[in-house]
Amino acid sequence: AQTVTQSQPEMSVQEAETVTLSCTYDTSESDYYLFWYKQPPSRQMILVIRQEAYKQQNATENRFSVNFQKAAKSFSLKISDSQLGDAAMYFCAYRRQGGSEKLVFGKGTKLTVNP
Amino acid sequence: DAGITQSPRHKVTETGTPVTLRCHQTENHRYMYWYRQDPGHGLRLIHYSYGVKDTDKGEVSDGYSVSRSKTEDFLLTLESATSSQTSVYFCAIYRGTGNTEAFFGQGTRLTVV
Repeated sequence: AQTVTQSQPEMSVQEAETVTLSCTYDTSESDYYLFWYKQPPSRQMILVIRQEAYKQQNATENRFSVNFQKAAKSFSLKISDSQLGDAAMYFCAYRRQGGSEKLVFGKGTKLTVNP
Repeated sequence: DAGITQSPRHKVTETGTPVTLRCHQTENHRYMYWYRQDPGHGLRLIHYSYGVKDTDKGEVSDGYSVSRSKTEDFLLTLESATSSQTSVYFCAIYRGTGNTEAFFGQGTRLTVV
C-alpha cells in the first residue's frame, strides 16, 4: 500500500522568508501524481501545486515550487516570500494514475508565519 | 465553490443515532469520495463511488455505509453513531486536467455526544 509521510508536524517562518516542507512517499508504481494541499482555518482544502511523476521538471506556481526527487521518493514544497496568508495546514498527497484512484494523504504540517 | 456542496455543515448528534451526510455536485463527475479528517491522521478515505449504484470501501469504512442513486448525490450514513466518529467529513470529486485533481466540499463537522 502506498504511504505518505510528512515528518514535520509543525513549522514556522518569518514573513518574507522562505520555508520548505518535507514529504516522502512509498510506492512501487511508476506513474502517479503528487499534490500539496493547503487547509487554512476556514477548513477548505485548496490545491496548491501538482506534479506528474513522468515529468522531470519541477512544478512551480507563483511563490510555490516543489523539489521532486523520484528516485528518492521525495516531494518537498518550497514557499518563497512567505505571507501571513500562507499560515495553514499543508498536506502532501499521492495518487496513482487511473480514473478511480484515491488520494493518499500525509498527516500534515502546520505552518505558522510570524510577522 | 458551487461545484460541490455538503450538508449539513455542522451537526451534533447522540451516540447510537443514525446520521446521514449529503454531498451534492453539479458537474456530472463520475467519481466521488468521502474522507474523514482527524488530528494526527490527515485525511483518510471512507468510501468512494465510481458511478450510480457503484461504490467501494476505503481504509476506514467500518460503521459507515454509502449510497449513490443519482450521479449528483453521494450520501454517507453512520448507521449508529459513536464518539469515535466525531470528525470532519469531506466529500471530493476529481477535476482539472485529466480529472486528476481532487476538489473538496466545505466539510461537515460532526460531533457525537
